[in-house]
Amino acid sequence: GQSLEQPSEVTAVEGAIVQINCTYQTSGFYGLSWYQQHDGGAPTFLSYNALDGLEETGRFSSFLSRSDSYGYLLLQELQMKDSASYFCAGPGGAGSYQLTFGKGTKLSVIP
Amino acid sequence: NAGVTQTPKFRVLKTGQSMTLLCAQDMNHEYMYWYRQDPGMGLRLIHYSVGEGTTAKGEVPDGYNVSRLKKQNFLLGLESAAPSQTSVYFCASSEDGGNTEAFFGQGTRLTVV
Repeated sequence: GQSLEQPSEVTAVEGAIVQINCTYQTSGFYGLSWYQQHDGGAPTFLSYNALDGLEETGRFSSFLSRSDSYGYLLLQELQMKDSASYFCAGPGGAGSYQLTFGKGTKLSVIP
Repeated sequence: NAGVTQTPKFRVLKTGQSMTLLCAQDMNHEYMYWYRQDPGMGLRLIHYSVGEGTTAKGEVPDGYNVSRLKKQNFLLGLESAAPSQTSVYFCASSEDGGNTEAFFGQGTRLTVV
């Protein structure tokens, strides 16, 4: 199976940088994804790392270290609209069929 | 392009009643998933399907059944609803399991009284 651990809450100031960490334990590993969910909305895909290293998409970057079973999401130049929950997710189970989510990190951006 | 559509969006059931939630996707995806989301619990996988005619159990399958008779549709059934099944239910689909972007429906808010 697979389990993913991430902090439950993070608070950061508008314009700052915040890092949301995710550690995982899995019997097989195929990559790490990140999703954003605003209150009352559906999760939306942010990024996917299949290999070690940093992937950058605008203000958001995601990092993966397979040897450390660890990844993070980096949000730069925080804006109020970034206040949301962020989930790391990974395929697991036999093959990569299942998509398992961490419990989510609620990010609050304050002025 | 509608993406993933869930019906209904809201429903109130009495304990013991049954209902079916419908998920439809128009992206020709093989993989489809049903999740429930409860406060502080994240998204928990109920059942999933890797293609038409296939279904498999996820993390929390008890009390639910699913069917995938057509590739574009994934149905979630509650045979005898219980208050513990009060939750927000999300359907998702993807092209290549957990290796690619999953697209989510807007969710169904279910209350069992």
